Amino acid sequence: AQRVTQPEKLLSVFKGAPVELKCNYSYSGSPELFWYVQYSRQRLQLLLRHISRESIKGFTADLNKGETSFHLKKPFAQEEDSAMYYCALSSGGSNYKLTFGKGTLLTVNP
Amino acid sequence: GAVVSQHPSWVICKSGTSVKIECRSLDFQATTMFWYRQFPKQSLMLMATSNEGSKATYEQGVEKDKFLINHASLTLSTLTVTSAHPEDSSFYICSAVRTRNWEQFFGPGTRLTVL
Repeated sequence: AQRVTQPEKLLSVFKGAPVELKCNYSYSGSPELFWYVQYSRQRLQLLLRHISRESIKGFTADLNKGETSFHLKKPFAQEEDSAMYYCALSSGGSNYKLTFGKGTLLTVNP
Repeated sequence: GAVVSQHPSWVICKSGTSVKIECRSLDFQATTMFWYRQFPKQSLMLMATSNEGSKATYEQGVEKDKFLINHASLTLSTLTVTSAHPEDSSFYICSAVRTRNWEQFFGPGTRLTVL
């Protein structure tokens, strides 16, 4: 069975500080990993996926297969980054099903 | 960009009635859509996979006779909550897969309250 674990329910940082949202997964094959973000009163939207290796809004995430982790990082947090962040996994290929972690609520204080 | 809409955005109904929620992909075709349920301050729980022209695939523990899914066209999937009860009150979210890059686009959600 596949599982996504986000150990922190809440994370609070000050503006300009580095931020790291943790995500660990369990899956026997080669998964695809995603980070989704949900801003207040908005729909869920894709932030980044590991296969694209992009940096979106200053966020990056590296898939570490040895540690089965996909932590989301940003060197300098902004107030507008305050949102709910979900890590998600799919088995890849034509299987689009996503398994979500419980989410981490990030608050960036001024 | 790819847009997914849901209708209605909120609905209140009496216990025992049925409620239909629509999910539409507005500017792309989606052979696959998903229905999720989200409880307050909790994560999304996948309920079922909706495939155009075929029966939906339900996740373990989800009653197929209670949550009827119809994916009659490439842009529309519907979820009908039959004989709704207060415990069915929740936030229901759909997503549609754009096969161009296999990305899921999410609808804004439907808040169902059963009295």
